[in-house]
Amino acid sequence: AQKITQTQPGMFVQEKEAVTLDCTYDTSDPSYGLFWYKQPSSGEMIFLIYQGSYDQQNATEGRYSLNFQKARKSANLVISASQLGDSAMYFCAMTAGGGGSNYKLTFGKGTLLTVNP
Amino acid sequence: DTAVSQTPKYLVTQMGNDKSIKCEQNLGHDTMYWYKQDSKKFLKIMFSYNNKELIINETVPNRFSPKSPDKAHLNLHINSLELGDSAVYFCASSQDFRSYNEQFFGPGTRLTVL
Repeated sequence: AQKITQTQPGMFVQEKEAVTLDCTYDTSDPSYGLFWYKQPSSGEMIFLIYQGSYDQQNATEGRYSLNFQKARKSANLVISASQLGDSAMYFCAMTAGGGGSNYKLTFGKGTLLTVNP
Repeated sequence: DTAVSQTPKYLVTQMGNDKSIKCEQNLGHDTMYWYKQDSKKFLKIMFSYNNKELIINETVPNRFSPKSPDKAHLNLHINSLELGDSAVYFCASSQDFRSYNEQFFGPGTRLTVL
């Protein structure tokens, strides 16, 4: 079974600064995928970034990068140059294994990010 | 064009009633899902379907019955609604079941049971 842990219920950051949101995961499967989603107050779920377990390089998408440390089983999200519109709930999630296990995302409890002007 | 759509967006109903939520995706994806987000924002898988076939039923009460008439649709019917069913229900889809495929989420349906 997979497990995602997000230990920061809330984070604050000043506009234009960088922020790191923590995520650790647990799985015994060698093949897995790690995802970050953003949920603004309007409620929709927005995909941000993906990292595969066999990817050699850390994933990047614009201002988002994923700091993937396989040995530590961590997949932290780094947001550079924070903007007011980044204020939202951020979820780390994973899929793992073959067969039925892949047919779902297992989510962490989320981190509520507030960007201050 | 909306990729994953859900209707209705809001649903307010009395305990004991039966209600349905509809989901459609126009992405040509093979795999569709239902997730429940509770009042603490925790998201949990309920069902997964691949090519209209049920793959995962994550210990969901029998009162919840998904139906996939075709690959593009996955509806959720709930019988005898209870107060604890109040939540936001998200439909999602992905290209297929492989782990590197992102899931695209619908806008959610906020269900309130009175």
